[in-house]
Amino acid sequence: EVQLVESGGGLVKPGGSLRLSCAASGFTFSSYTMNWVRQAPGKGLEWVSSISSGSSYIYYADSVKGRLTISRDNAKNSLYLQINSLRVEDTAVYYCARESGYSSSWGYWGQGTLVTVSS
Amino acid sequence: EIVLTQSPGTLSLSPGERATLSCRASQSVSNNYLAWYQQKPGQAPRLLIYGASSRATGIPDRFSGSGSGTDFTLSISRLEPEDFAVYYCQQYGSSPPYTFGQGTKLEIK
Repeated sequence: EVQLVESGGGLVKPGGSLRLSCAASGFTFSSYTMNWVRQAPGKGLEWVSSISSGSSYIYYADSVKGRLTISRDNAKNSLYLQINSLRVEDTAVYYCARESGYSSSWGYWGQGTLVTVSS
Repeated sequence: EIVLTQSPGTLSLSPGERATLSCRASQSVSNNYLAWYQQKPGQAPRLLIYGASSRATGIPDRFSGSGSGTDFTLSISRLEPEDFAVYYCQQYGSSPPYTFGQGTKLEIK
C-alpha cells in the first residue's frame, strides 16, 4: 500500500526556517516524480514544487522561488522541502503527492503537515 | 501559466439531484491533462478524474468528466450525502506550473 507521511510542521516566527519531510513507503520511491502542494487555511490548493525521480529536474512556483528548496533522498525514501525566510503568508498545510501510476495525475497524497508562521 | 477558473463558486443541491461543475482554462490544456479532485474538511484531496474523462481507481460511475481544450465539466449524476465537498480542477500538463482552479463548494440545499 502506498503511504506518504509528512512531518516537520509547526509554529515558526517570521523570518525563520523549517524543513518538511515526506516519508514514502509501499512503492519504489526512486521511480517517481514527487510534488509539494500547500493549502492556506480556508483557501484552495497551490502547487509549490516538483522534483523528478533522479533530482535532475526541479521546478518551483514563482510565488516561492528563491526561498524554498526541494530535495529527495532515494536511499531513505524521503522527500524534503526547506523553507527559508518564512512569511505569514506561508502559513498552510503542506502536502506531498505522487502520480497515480496509470496517469501523471496525482493519485496519492499524504495527510499534510501544518506550518504556522506567526510572531 | 494556465489559469483555471471554476464555476460556480458554490453549488447548492439536494441528494439525488445532478451536479454540473465547470472548469475553464485560459489556454488549451495539453493532451487534455485535466484532473478533478474532491476534498472534504480535514482531508487530503482525492483524485476523481484524470485525462479530462477517465475515472480514477475506485471512483463510482456517478462521477464523470468531459471536455477538451479549454472547457471541462465534472458531472455527478445522482448526488449522495458523501458527495458534498469541495471540488478542484487541475492541469498537470507537460511541464509546471501545475495550476489548480479556485474550487467549487458543493453544499446541501
